[in-house]
Amino acid sequence: QQPVQSPQAVILREGEDAVINCSSSKALYSVHWYRQKHGEAPVFLMILLKGGEQKGHEKISASFNEKKQQSSLYLTASQLSYSGTYFCGTETNAGKSTFGDGTTLTVKP
Amino acid sequence: DAGVTQSPTHLIKTRGQQVTLRCSPISGHKSVSWYQQVLGQGPQFIFQYYEKEERGRGNFPDRFSARQFPNYSSELNVNALLLGDSALYLCASSLGPSTVNSPLHFGNGTRLTVT
Repeated sequence: QQPVQSPQAVILREGEDAVINCSSSKALYSVHWYRQKHGEAPVFLMILLKGGEQKGHEKISASFNEKKQQSSLYLTASQLSYSGTYFCGTETNAGKSTFGDGTTLTVKP
Repeated sequence: DAGVTQSPTHLIKTRGQQVTLRCSPISGHKSVSWYQQVLGQGPQFIFQYYEKEERGRGNFPDRFSARQFPNYSSELNVNALLLGDSALYLCASSLGPSTVNSPLHFGNGTRLTVT
């Protein structure tokens, strides 16, 4: 069963912050985040493993709460280049990564 | 280093025909996964191959098949095409079979249109 992402879409001004959530009904081994720009391939951002760890990538960070089976992606002081669709991917069985339907982020000047 | 390469980039087929999509993984990557992405949705898992063996299969009909070659490249075959098969087909490679150890690196995809 695929993870559920929220919100479906976000519109920001440059410099504003955003949070994208990803939740699963199944226990997770890991959560990984990707960004896809229009007409391009999804690009890996970061992966989070069990243990409630947080990671950062430039001004983008994420957390993973394995008990709640949830992950959140935090975008701080957003830039125009952050625009795109963000997907969370979850792995419950080795070899099968299931993706949410994505959150479209639009950053305006 | 070259990324994941897919061919062709675009393809137009008619209903009932068969199609073969190709993927070359990043050098050193032994796992290849195939995904179908319909506009407005996330990638849907079709297959994963690791070391030339099928490691996972998604909820797709038997019309979909794949294989991995000794050089780790892969082909996805779809028989008896339906209009609903129109989508972007993404190939992703990784070092190992689990994303716990290695993330997915996607190619730019093959846009398949079935008329």
